[in-house]
Amino acid sequence: ELKVEQNPLFLSMQEGKNYTIYCNYSTTSDRLYWYRQDPGKSLESLFVLLSNGAVKQEGRLMASLDTKARLSTLHITAAVHDLSATYFCAVPRDNYGQNFVFGPGTRLSVLP
Amino acid sequence: DAGITQSPRYKITETGRQVTLMCHQTWSHSYMFWYRQDLGHGLRLIYYSAAADITDKGEVPDGYVVSRSKTENFPLTLESATRSQTSVYFCASSLAGQETQYFGPGTRLLVL
Repeated sequence: ELKVEQNPLFLSMQEGKNYTIYCNYSTTSDRLYWYRQDPGKSLESLFVLLSNGAVKQEGRLMASLDTKARLSTLHITAAVHDLSATYFCAVPRDNYGQNFVFGPGTRLSVLP
Repeated sequence: DAGITQSPRYKITETGRQVTLMCHQTWSHSYMFWYRQDLGHGLRLIYYSAAADITDKGEVPDGYVVSRSKTENFPLTLESATRSQTSVYFCASSLAGQETQYFGPGTRLLVL
């Protein structure tokens, strides 16, 4: 059974600092998705990683995928308050399907 | 561009009543999904649909019924609501293949 874990689950960091959120999963998958959720809001798609070694960047966020290690990272560079949110990774149960298993989420708080 | 909408946005009901949550998307996406989000459990898939008249169970389908007679609509019915079904319900949709899922704004359901 596919399990998706994230760490840390809670992260409090100061503006300007760098940090990495980790997402690891228990079965083979060549795809992984990152989402952002602001408090009381819906989920917003951040990145779609479709192969081993895939790297995507948007602003201060960069995501990568290592399918051999079954690990994805979401790196935050020079954090700003607007990045405060909960970040979820999601992995499909099989390589062709759309049945995702979501990680528990990492709640990020960026302090001024 | 209306995207994906859910109604109602908030609902209070009583134990034993039938409740239907509506989901509508304007993108002609093949796939549609229903998730529930609860503290401590993250996002869990209830049901999904690959096309009109094709539905399948997710991780937590008990107590829920879905139908999909038209591509754009995917209603979720709680046949006899229980307090444990108090949650935030998100509908999502995606193109077939490796596309990300796009989430609706959510419905907050309280069962008394």
